[in-house]
Parts: sequence; structure tokens; C-alpha cells
Amino acid sequence: SAVISQKPSRDICQRGTSLTIQCQVDSQVTMMFWYRQQPGQSLTLIATANQGSEATYESGFVIDKFPISRPNLTFSTLTVSNMSPEDSSIYLCSFTGTGAHEQYFGPGTRLTVT
Amino acid sequence: GENVEQHPSTLSVQEGDSAVIKCTYSDSASNYFPWYKQELGKRPQLIIDIRSNVGEKKDQRIAVTLNKTAKHFSLHITETQPEDSAVYFCAACADFNKFYFGSGTKLNVKP
Repeated sequence: SAVISQKPSRDICQRGTSLTIQCQVDSQVTMMFWYRQQPGQSLTLIATANQGSEATYESGFVIDKFPISRPNLTFSTLTVSNMSPEDSSIYLCSFTGTGAHEQYFGPGTRLTVT
Repeated sequence: GENVEQHPSTLSVQEGDSAVIKCTYSDSASNYFPWYKQELGKRPQLIIDIRSNVGEKKDQRIAVTLNKTAKHFSLHITETQPEDSAVYFCAACADFNKFYFGSGTKLNVKP
């Protein structure tokens, strides 16, 4: 299966700043997603990153706070804007292949906001 | 939307015993049910999945069963080993769309 990577793997950021997380897949994929996982919790879908169009956000997540780009079929970015300590979490990207159900996750970005 | 419930939240078994984790879902349109294993500090890894046209699937020591009528599916791990200790998540998906995850089960296998 395709290899998926994320950068950075972790970061410590100050309140009020923004961080952009990059997600790269080594082959073209149909669907890319962004999740948040708070410590000891399940995976919460933030949005579906659509190639060439605006992302589709889940309830409770808005574009101004979590702008997402997907310029092509192998790459996506998630920005966490105007961060507060409540944004401290692990952020994971994932993908599914064309005509396939299987979803694979990136290694995650551990974000701490001070 | 879909609602996936998972039980138990924690499960402790003796090495060599079996472990069963159960999930229910609400949307009858869901047709794909994967299970993920997440070790501490690592990404979720797909360990087994089942599609709605199948009632059971096995892969060595792990198996998944699906009851579409009752809208529930289960993960069975036999002959558990300490390396099976992890958090397990079930999920449901309809038509190559987004996934809805259960709340997770922390499995502890005692040597």
C-alpha cells in the first residue's frame, strides 16, 4: 500500500500563532481526511480534503480555524489557526485509495499549545 | 449521521484467553466495517475489515463477525499475547465515504 508521511511530527507553539501540518502520500489517492485525536480519546474527523475544491468540514469545525488545502492527489495541508491550549492534540491525516474502502493513517503530528 | 458505539471501554484478559470487543452502528447504509489497533504513541493500524456481504472473516488469531440485521459487529482475538495489548477502534463507513469511529477499547493482556 501507499506510504503516507506527515510533517512536523511534533511541535510546541505559543497561543495565538498558527501551525501548518503537511501530509504527503507517495501515490495518487482519491480521498484524504484530517482527524484530531485528543489524549485517550477516539478519532474525530475534522474534514475531508477535496482535490481542487474546498474541504468538507464536520460539525464543530470551521474553515477559518482549520483551513485545508489539497492542491493535487498526493498532498494536503491542515492549518491550525489562532491556537489556544484547547487545540493541543494529535492531528492525523489519512487516505483511501481509488475504489477501495481501506483507510490508512499518517504517523500524526503531536501539537502542544502553551 | 452514523453513530457507532463500542464496548467495553477496557478489557483485561490473561495471556492465552480470548478477547471480544463489540460495536453497534445505527445507519443501515453502512457497508464497510474496519478494525484498527493503536499502540501507545503510534498511528492506528488496520488489522481486519469486513464488508456487508460477508458474515464472518478470519485472519489467523483474529476474526470479525457482522450481523446486519441487528447492526452489530464484533472483533474476536484468540490465544491472546502480551503484544496484543493496545487500544482497538471499530469503525463504520458507507459507500467509500467518511468513517465513523467507536470510542475505543483498551485491551490489556496479562502475562
